[in-house]
Amino acid sequence: EIQLLQSGGGIIQPGGSLRLSCVVSGLTFNRYGMSWVRQAPGKGLEWVSGINDDGDKTYYADSVKGRFYISRDDSESTLYLQMNSLRVEDTAVYYCARGGTGASSYWGQGTRVIVSS
Amino acid sequence: DVVLTQSPLSLPVSLGQPASISCRSSRSLLYTDGNTYLNWFQQRPGQPPRRLIYEVSKRDSGVPDRFSGSGSGTDFTLEISRVEADDIAVYYCMQGSYWPPATFGQGTKLEIK
Repeated sequence: EIQLLQSGGGIIQPGGSLRLSCVVSGLTFNRYGMSWVRQAPGKGLEWVSGINDDGDKTYYADSVKGRFYISRDDSESTLYLQMNSLRVEDTAVYYCARGGTGASSYWGQGTRVIVSS
Repeated sequence: DVVLTQSPLSLPVSLGQPASISCRSSRSLLYTDGNTYLNWFQQRPGQPPRRLIYEVSKRDSGVPDRFSGSGSGTDFTLEISRVEADDIAVYYCMQGSYWPPATFGQGTKLEIK
């Protein structure tokens, strides 16, 4: 069974940093690109970032470029999202998903990030 | 960026009746490889999105055949032949033909009339 297990959310003050993790099991992790998609409270889905299977190509939404960094550790089958200079508008549930665009049947359970003073 | 516009944004439907959601793209989603990477997702409250349809009309494993996708170029449709109570959710179209960024429609809330 394929599982994506997320951790790392929480409450953080504006300007702070947080790292999200997504541990993948049940598939050969290094064969797939991965992505992060977020959903602000009461809003729709927004693609945030993607990384290719080799980890040498990364992609970002304009809204997070220069502040968020996606990475992967294939030895641990883990995807990361390092979020720096957090803003109130980054408050959302963050999902990891298989595939660089998120167009996949396999999503994590979501982790909530609240940016508030 | 590719903009996806869904309509309607709210869809009241009686149980057992059909439902149809439109998704229009700001540019053709036909990619150079001949495929069209248009997906449909269902999201129930408090749950992650679930992909129902990929490449316009291919149903994901376990998705009831009441759900079907159609369209080409810039115009796409998700149809539910007979709405059941379990179908109450928000539905999103999403394109992966021209990314980054991948983009989603605004979402359509399916409600029981």
